[in-house]
Amino acid sequence: GAVVSQHPSWVICKSGTSVKIECRSLDFQATTMFWYRQFPKQSLMLMATSNEGSKATYEQGVEKDKFLINHASLTLSTLTVTSAHPEDSSFYICSARVSANTGELFFGEGSRLTVL
Amino acid sequence: AQTVTQSQPEMSVQEAETVTLSCTYDTSESDYYLFWYKQPPSRQMILVIRQEAYKQQNATENRFSVNFQKAAKSFSLKISDSQLGDAAMYFCAYMGSYGGATNKLIFGTGTLLAVQP
Repeated sequence: GAVVSQHPSWVICKSGTSVKIECRSLDFQATTMFWYRQFPKQSLMLMATSNEGSKATYEQGVEKDKFLINHASLTLSTLTVTSAHPEDSSFYICSARVSANTGELFFGEGSRLTVL
Repeated sequence: AQTVTQSQPEMSVQEAETVTLSCTYDTSESDYYLFWYKQPPSRQMILVIRQEAYKQQNATENRFSVNFQKAAKSFSLKISDSQLGDAAMYFCAYMGSYGGATNKLIFGTGTLLAVQP
């Protein structure tokens, strides 16, 4: 199957700093990538849809100025958590669609963010 | 808006036995996709099985099969000959077929499956 890679897999930062998480499609081009947030023992919550070459579409309640998403190429999307606070600590997962026709998404390994 | 409901927060099965995980959904669309994803302790999301709504035949992938009841909006997952490696969180998910590449995947709340040796 298609491979999606996230980096870093875990990161610890101080409150007030910014953290960037990368999501790469390794063996296919992804015009659309999705960013999810998952709290412990809960489901995945869609944060935003990332489209290559255009602005991301954010879900209701997600602060676009705090969670900056850039999709600069067909294989890379980045999520930057700006001025991170402890409540931003979470597991962040990206996914990418191989084909609009199949509906299937492939997921990255996830990135665990801990803000001290 | 579409919703996905998993009414079983936790389930347990004996190794080699069969278990069924329930999922219901609500939608006004006639064409869509349904999925079951597995999330083991590593947190990596793994696609287990996929069903297109226009197909009447239930999808099957080795030990995994679904019971898709479109009129009842039900999409249950059956795991046969359960193995220790099947222990994980299982998420049912819905995606509409209209809108192309930007279609969102909507997840249920998940069912934590334990496999007893």
